[in-house]
Amino acid sequence: DQQVKQNSPSLSVQEGRISILNCDYTNSMFDYFLWYKKYPAEGPTFLISISSIKDKNEDGRFTVFLNKSAKHLSLHIVPSQPGDSAVYFCAAKETNRDDKIIFGKGTRLHILP
Amino acid sequence: EPEVTQTPSHQVTQMGQEVILRCVPISNHLYFYWYRQILGQKVEFLVSFYNNEISEKSEIFDDQFSVERPDGSNFTLKIRSTKLEDSAMYFCASSYKPVTQYFGPGTRLTVL
Repeated sequence: DQQVKQNSPSLSVQEGRISILNCDYTNSMFDYFLWYKKYPAEGPTFLISISSIKDKNEDGRFTVFLNKSAKHLSLHIVPSQPGDSAVYFCAAKETNRDDKIIFGKGTRLHILP
Repeated sequence: EPEVTQTPSHQVTQMGQEVILRCVPISNHLYFYWYRQILGQKVEFLVSFYNNEISEKSEIFDDQFSVERPDGSNFTLKIRSTKLEDSAMYFCASSYKPVTQYFGPGTRLTVL
């Protein structure tokens, strides 16, 4: 039962270019979406989030776009830096269920020199 | 910067044994969580804990699992009789408000 899908297990991007990580979801009750970044041997780190009432949220080099009609969101990283190499998890929560976050399987981003 | 800590970093146990995984959440946080990640798979929600009781749990969190906040600082996950399939990374998380959760580095549990 994959409510949050990250269909690309890995992605390689040249340093300085834009990284675009994609995420699809199936549950129309999701009202809040998050991106987490994970380095090896560490726990996931919160990166950026977006409420379903918005279609874009920006924080420095990171921008998340939400297309509710397509049940799709994406994370843009511009410009990509070597320290961005990590696994990125898309996550979501349902309306009135603040405690439970549902994660996707993650996309491993490699930033190439 | 305050962070969530977890001990031990790696726990090896025999099938059928009880294990307790320990977490120290960020001190002013009110909500506490356990997640697990089986190797190569997604991070899965296990349980959330607020106001000294479980507020939400997944179907994974069966009678073999329990959580406790025995004092003002620790948050523990107990697995009563471990199975091979319990081998995973277990992440503790905490938050001041729901949703934006801060994760610890994880405990790798290996059941032999």
